[in-house]
Amino acid sequence: TQLLEQSPQFLSIQEGENLTVYCNSSSVFSSLQWYRQEPGEGPVLLVTVVTGGEVKKLKRLTFQFGDARKDSSLHITAAQTGDTGLYLCAGDDYTGGFKTIFGAGTRLFVKA
Amino acid sequence: EAQVTQNPRYLITVTGKKLTVTCSQNMNHEYMSWYRQDPGLGLRQIYYSMNVEVTDKGDVPEGYKVSRKEKRNFPLILESPSPNQTSLYFCASSFRRLAYEQYFGPGTRLTVT
Repeated sequence: TQLLEQSPQFLSIQEGENLTVYCNSSSVFSSLQWYRQEPGEGPVLLVTVVTGGEVKKLKRLTFQFGDARKDSSLHITAAQTGDTGLYLCAGDDYTGGFKTIFGAGTRLFVKA
Repeated sequence: EAQVTQNPRYLITVTGKKLTVTCSQNMNHEYMSWYRQDPGLGLRQIYYSMNVEVTDKGDVPEGYKVSRKEKRNFPLILESPSPNQTSLYFCASSFRRLAYEQYFGPGTRLTVT
């Protein structure tokens, strides 16, 4: 089974600061997805990255897929309290079937 | 409204008492999954289904059963629940595999005493 490791596990910052969250693996993924989950709700897709080296922007969020397609990062510029939540990366595992695997997540808390 | 629904949202039961958590989607999606979410472990896939009558094990299938008799429904069955199955469960669906967005239900919080 392929693994996705996320870091940091927990991040507490002040509003206005920048931050980066990482999603790493020793395996190659055809694509990676980033989800955000708020308390009491299911995860919601933020972005899918498919091409090695790809950079996608979603307002203040910038997502990058590593050239070798083994890692991805999420950078938030000028964080806001509304960015608080659990950020999860996910990818397709082809080593034994058609499973989807998730990283353990990064819990972000943005203080006013 | 496009959505994935799960029932019940909360369930407290006792060890060994069979239960079913229902999942239904109205988007005509082919792919459906069940996940459990535990603190510090993220989401772990229990079972998935590529289409009607096609199901396969995820990473943590022990103690669970599923069926996919209709495209829209994908129930999760715990034949003999145990306390280690206490968790938050999510059903999800997507149009197909390979980078398609998964739509998640609101979750079912299960406690087994």
